[in-house]
Amino acid sequence: QQQVKQSPQSLIVQKGGISIINCAYENTAFDYFPWYQQFPGKGPALLIAIRPDVSEKKEGRFTISFNKSAKQFSLHIMDSQPGDSATYFCAASSRGGTASKLTFGTGTRLQVTL
Amino acid sequence: DAMVIQNPRYQVTQFGKPVTLSCSQTLNHNVMYWYQQKSSQAPKLLFHYYDKDFNNEADTPDNFQSRRPNTSFCFLDIRSPGLGDAAMYLCATSGTVGKLFFGSGTQLSVL
Repeated sequence: QQQVKQSPQSLIVQKGGISIINCAYENTAFDYFPWYQQFPGKGPALLIAIRPDVSEKKEGRFTISFNKSAKQFSLHIMDSQPGDSATYFCAASSRGGTASKLTFGTGTRLQVTL
Repeated sequence: DAMVIQNPRYQVTQFGKPVTLSCSQTLNHNVMYWYQQKSSQAPKLLFHYYDKDFNNEADTPDNFQSRRPNTSFCFLDIRSPGLGDAAMYLCATSGTVGKLFFGSGTQLSVL
């Protein structure tokens, strides 16, 4: 019940194209849905996040779409650039005692080609 | 400028030789986490501190211990590293619900 399923495992997009990564969850107690970007040899960095009372959030070229009834959310990267090539993790969080705990998806390795 | 600092960036130890990884933060966050990330996998939570209160995940092996002497510092001790413990170890902090800040990690190799 704690799983977050992420797809695809890898994605190749041409420069200027749209990258779309999808995630699904089961636990309705999740109340915060961040996306993390990770470059090789670095820790994950928070990219954008959404709460379940909002259906969409946009920050620059990055948009999260959230479907509460379907328990799905997705990341759209518009005008994808080679610098966007990284591994993307969706995550979900619920308040567990005194701290939030992130449950990560399995990751999507994005490659943006010229 | 770095807010969550992990040292060292790379650590090599021998099978069975205790090793300590360190993490410091300049954010003054109450919560500090340790995650283990193996190659091409998602980070896996080992434990976290809320202030000095230690919270272990049920499936974290006893081989892994942690100390948090003050708000700024947190240590991960691996008492007897095995080959399967080779991984990236990530420290993170949180001051706001759900928003975690990660360090750059320590890549641990076990020979």
